[in-house]
Parts: sequence; C-alpha cells; structure tokens
Amino acid sequence: DIQMTQSPSSVSASVGDRVTINCRASQGISSWLAWYQQKPGKAPKLLIHAASSLQSGVPSRFIGSRSGTDFTLTISSLQPEDFATYYCQQANSFPLTFGGGTKVEIK
Amino acid sequence: EVQLVESGGGLVQPGGSLRLSCAASGFTFSSSEMNWVRQAPGKGLEWVSYITGSGSTRYYADSVKGRFTISRDNAKNSLYLQMNSLRAEDTAVYYCARDRESRDYFDYWGQGTLVTVSS
Repeated sequence: DIQMTQSPSSVSASVGDRVTINCRASQGISSWLAWYQQKPGKAPKLLIHAASSLQSGVPSRFIGSRSGTDFTLTISSLQPEDFATYYCQQANSFPLTFGGGTKVEIK
Repeated sequence: EVQLVESGGGLVQPGGSLRLSCAASGFTFSSSEMNWVRQAPGKGLEWVSYITGSGSTRYYADSVKGRFTISRDNAKNSLYLQMNSLRAEDTAVYYCARDRESRDYFDYWGQGTLVTVSS
C-alpha cells in the first residue's frame, strides 16, 4: 500500500498569510494526487486534482505543486473561510489512501 | 445539481449487520464509479470501497475485506454498502463519493451517515 505522510499536522496562521502544506508519497504516484478541504461537521470538498489542477469553482489562491514524490498545497493569501482541515489523497492505485490531515487554525 | 444522500446508519451491536444506502441524482449514475469513504470520530479519512459503473469491478480496504460488500442498482440510482460482522473500530461517519471522471478523485460527496458499533 502507498503511504501518504502529511505535514505539519497543524499550523496557526493569520488572515493574509501564505500557508504551505506538504504531502509525501511512499512510492511514485506520478501526479495522481488530490487535495481536499474539510470543515467541522461537513463532507470534504475537492480543491485540487492531478497534483496541480484546480477543481471548478475553487479560488485561485489554492495552488498545488509536485516535485517527485513530494506534493505541496499552498494557500497564497489565507482567507477567513479557509480555516479548516486539509487532506491529500493518492489516486495512483488501490487501496486509495489519504494523508493524516493538516488543521489550519487561527493565530 | 449533483446530489448524494446517504441513509441507513445507526447504533448496532458488535457482530451485527447494517446496510447503508446512497441515493444519487443530477448525473448519469450508471456511468459513474462510486466509493464509500469513512471517518472515525475525531480522526482522518479512510477509503473503504469502490465499484465501477457496471458493478463488474469492486475493491475494498483490507480493514473491511470479507465483511463489507459494495453494490449498486443503476435502475434505482442507488449505491449500497452491506456491513457484516461489525466491530467497534467500524464506528464512523460513512460518506458515499463520486469518482471524478474515472480518475479516483472524489468530486461529490454525500452528507454522511453515522454508524456506531457498541454494546
């Protein structure tokens, strides 16, 4: 199985800050990676697919990138509605696996 | 508008069974691969199972293999998860989720249904 290691587990930031979340795959997954945002009590929302493609309707401040087996989600200027938990997910092979999550909290 | 609505959750004793349903609308259900994803209280997301549009191919997480069965009824636009031999560690919110263009990303999710396994 492919393990997805996400870091940090939490980050405190202020509105307007640039926030970076990392995800490392235990083996090569090409660009088969997605990022999700989840708010308390709600279902996850797809933000990014294929490592860097923005899902329709998602603001352009969410940016995904890849370097080998390392993936990054950047929020270029944090907005109040962005405080949430973020998960990466590999779609290269079954079983599909998620990272452990990163909680973005208000500083 | 795409909608996924889960039902069937509840309290069940260890060793018991439960069948979850997911009613789909707003898209061509028979052409869409579907999944179940769960989230234990206060924990992260865990993929559970996948099924192709025709139902011919199914995959399961090791943690549920042999106990859970995914199925679908395309005439009723419905997805199911039959859960047998339930354990305390199966306690979670269960979401149905649609594959995005057959790429195994999840572009639409239901609101979730809570399954609690406890005596």
